[in-house]
Amino acid sequence: AQSVTQLDSHVSVSEGTPVLLRCNYSSSYSPSLFWYVQHPNKGLQLLLKYTSAATLVKGINGFEAEFKKSETSFHLTKPSAHMSDAAEYFCVVIPYNNNDMRFGAGTRLTVKP
Amino acid sequence: EPEVTQTPSHQVTQMGQEVILRCVPISNHLYFYWYRQILGQKVEFLVSFYNNEISEKSEIFDDQFSVERPDGSNFTLKIRSTKLEDSAMYFCASSNTGDSYNEQFFGPGTRLTVL
Repeated sequence: AQSVTQLDSHVSVSEGTPVLLRCNYSSSYSPSLFWYVQHPNKGLQLLLKYTSAATLVKGINGFEAEFKKSETSFHLTKPSAHMSDAAEYFCVVIPYNNNDMRFGAGTRLTVKP
Repeated sequence: EPEVTQTPSHQVTQMGQEVILRCVPISNHLYFYWYRQILGQKVEFLVSFYNNEISEKSEIFDDQFSVERPDGSNFTLKIRSTKLEDSAMYFCASSNTGDSYNEQFFGPGTRLTVL
């Protein structure tokens, strides 16, 4: 089965320090991978996506993610956290030749002043 | 910027009652989806819809569920006889193609509480 695993349910960082949210995927074929963010009482917003082009993907708000096939990972990073980054982050895979999104369990990011 | 909207934001109903959750997808999108998230659990795919018919559905989407696009703008999810375990946040999404690399745009969700 094609799925994603988010390795941390909660990550806490200080403002101005780097962010790393980890995601590993399981897929027999070349998947499409996404990171979505959900702020309280808001819908899910796309941060970035990987669709078999460049392995380093840049998204909105300074986030980026690197697709590493050898490690089956798609970790989300940001060099310097901002208070407004506090939210729930979801790693998502769409299996090849399919269009239903499979979500990870989510990682809650807390940013301390 | 166009966005997906959902109404109501919160729906409370008695067990056994029918509920209809409404969504207005982005106007030029052709593919529509429903997902749900039970409190503390993953977001789960329910159903996708294209060209006035269901294109995919999950095991969750049983005979109690139905979807409809009654007019050119709305996309609805009906639960015929709600159960306690239907309590969840329901998200609608839309996309302009059905390709796996294409972004789905999500609405803010409807929180359904079944008493």
